[in-house]
Amino acid sequence: AQSVTQPDIHITVSEGASLELRCNYSYGATPYLFWYVQSPGQGLQLLLKYFSGDTLVQGIKGFEAEFKRSQSSFNLRKPSVHWSDAAEYFCAVGAEYAGTASKLTFGTGTRLQVTL
Amino acid sequence: ETGVTQSPTHLIKTRGQQVTLRCSSQSGHNTVSWYQQALGQGPQFIFQYYREEENGRGNFPPRFSGLQFPNYSSELNVNALELDDSALYLCASSLVTGYGYTFGSGTRLTVV
Repeated sequence: AQSVTQPDIHITVSEGASLELRCNYSYGATPYLFWYVQSPGQGLQLLLKYFSGDTLVQGIKGFEAEFKRSQSSFNLRKPSVHWSDAAEYFCAVGAEYAGTASKLTFGTGTRLQVTL
Repeated sequence: ETGVTQSPTHLIKTRGQQVTLRCSSQSGHNTVSWYQQALGQGPQFIFQYYREEENGRGNFPPRFSGLQFPNYSSELNVNALELDDSALYLCASSLVTGYGYTFGSGTRLTVV
């Protein structure tokens, strides 16, 4: 069964500083990987996704992530954080099963706080 | 293009009652999934519907059931509500049984 680990529960960075959120996954085949962001009381917004090909993926809002198969990681990065980036970030792995069904397995999330 | 809309946004129910949550998929999407997100946790997969049939279920009891309609809208029904059912329920749709899900803003269910 697939699983996702986000080792950092809470991260605080200063506005303008760089950011890296860690994500490690466990999956037997080629994974489909996602990063979502969730503001308080809101649903999930897709930041970026990796299906295949180039291991460096560009997303919205200036975010990028790098897939490293050897490390089973898919870390999210941003060179300069803005105060509006404060939110909860979820890494997820997608898997097909039962022939046609698919599901996302999420990590427990990393709460990002941005100080001015 | 419309996104995924869910209703109601908030709901309070009493233990033992039944509840129905509704989801309108993004235009053209024929697959819908439901997720439960407890406070402080990541979303957990409940089930998925494709062409009006359930084709995948997570580790949730049968009192969680659903429907998908020909227009690809969907319902999540929960019977015999328990206090632990209090959570944010998220609906997600996609074009095919695959990836790139679009999530709605969720329904916050509180069971008292």
